[in-house]
Amino acid sequence: QSVLTQPPSASGTPGQRVTISCSGSSSNIGSKTVSWYQQLPGTAPKLLISTNNQRPSGVPDRFSGSKSGTSASLAISGLQSEDEADYYCAAWDDSLNGPVFGGGTKVTVL
Amino acid sequence: QVQLQESGPGLVKPPQTLSLTCSVSGGTISSGSYYWSWIRQPAGKGLEWIGRIYTSGTTTYNPSLKSRVTISVDTSKNQFSLRLSSVTAADTAVYYCARDRLWFGPDIWGQGTMVTVSS
Repeated sequence: QSVLTQPPSASGTPGQRVTISCSGSSSNIGSKTVSWYQQLPGTAPKLLISTNNQRPSGVPDRFSGSKSGTSASLAISGLQSEDEADYYCAAWDDSLNGPVFGGGTKVTVL
Repeated sequence: QVQLQESGPGLVKPPQTLSLTCSVSGGTISSGSYYWSWIRQPAGKGLEWIGRIYTSGTTTYNPSLKSRVTISVDTSKNQFSLRLSSVTAADTAVYYCARDRLWFGPDIWGQGTMVTVSS
């Protein structure tokens, strides 16, 4: 059981917009910033969004993040086949004194 | 560009101790305001933070694993290590090392190493 709650799956056709939600509590998302990671099959997670909505260098602007209260979301605009992956949200947790993760959302491009 | 690489045995017998090392290249482990973490992922499941170390040697562990975990750092070799004692099949997972930013989480990950616990 993951501390942060994500839907297990999401899907869309090429070009569509897909949104993934992430729900937490006051000890994590409610008081700290949110990161998003993309994990392609058989590879390590890669930082996609930092500090709620900042894209590291090299991440396409099709990816965007937002946060409100104890929830956050990741949006993928103009969905492409190479976006098929697992996506994880994460936030620092004051109770754990470390990062907590969502259970991951598998994005399928139909 | 900083890169991390895990190394260690892929098979550990219960109830022995799992030992992994993370080698950092492209940067100095003792530079900057970074922590160095271990994270694991059982097959088909989510990510679990194990613990972290600062180059001063200060450590913080996940309470769920604290009694069995030791993380250490060797700045002369630009490496940090994980030891997990009394392993069981439940410890079978891909183990990642990562560069961690306090309050912001990991930003750079190693490629991961699969560790199977089996007799």
